[in-house]
Amino acid sequence: GENVEQHPSTLSVQEGDSAVIKCTYSDSASNYFPWYKQELGKRPQLIIDIRSNVGEKKDQRIAVTLNKTAKHFSLHITETQPEDSAVYFCAAFSNSGYALNFGKGTSLLVTP
Amino acid sequence: EAQVTQNPRYLITVTGKKLTVTCSQNMNHEYMSWYRQDPGLGLRQIYYSMNVEVTDKGDVPEGYKVSRKEKRNFPLILESPSPNQTSLYFCASSPGLMSDEQFFGPGTRLTVL
Repeated sequence: GENVEQHPSTLSVQEGDSAVIKCTYSDSASNYFPWYKQELGKRPQLIIDIRSNVGEKKDQRIAVTLNKTAKHFSLHITETQPEDSAVYFCAAFSNSGYALNFGKGTSLLVTP
Repeated sequence: EAQVTQNPRYLITVTGKKLTVTCSQNMNHEYMSWYRQDPGLGLRQIYYSMNVEVTDKGDVPEGYKVSRKEKRNFPLILESPSPNQTSLYFCASSPGLMSDEQFFGPGTRLTVL
């Protein structure tokens, strides 16, 4: 099935800096790539997603880029704030396996 | 209020004692799934259902059963729980395919002694 690798597993940045989380996938049939944010003790919530016909998508301070040739996609958070501290999960959906596979998560800490 | 609910939220049980975790959504979503979350392993899909009476295995189905008799409900059944099934479980639903936003339930923390 699809294998989604996510790096780094932990990331610490100063408030105001940018944070980048990278994911790679193995199934070339993957066509949907969501990112979920999970605050401590809470459920995962979708923050942004991108489909395979688009190379980049932005929503305020959050952006996602997709490189289909290299099979990787990245989450970019600019002007980080302490409330951005959470675990972030990438995922990839493949029509061939019909499954949504998640990466292992990145714990982001934004220090004031 | 549109939501996914799970019950119970917390459960401590013993090895071999059958249990059911319920999941219900009020959004008329077609697709529902179960995940388990373990430290360092992320979210792993157990089972999913694309519609009533249609279910299929995810990545880690061993030791679990599901049913989808009604569109709104998708219970997770552990016939004979074992300690390695101690985990945080999330139910999720989405309007159509898995390539739509997943709406997660609040989670069920299960401990099997």
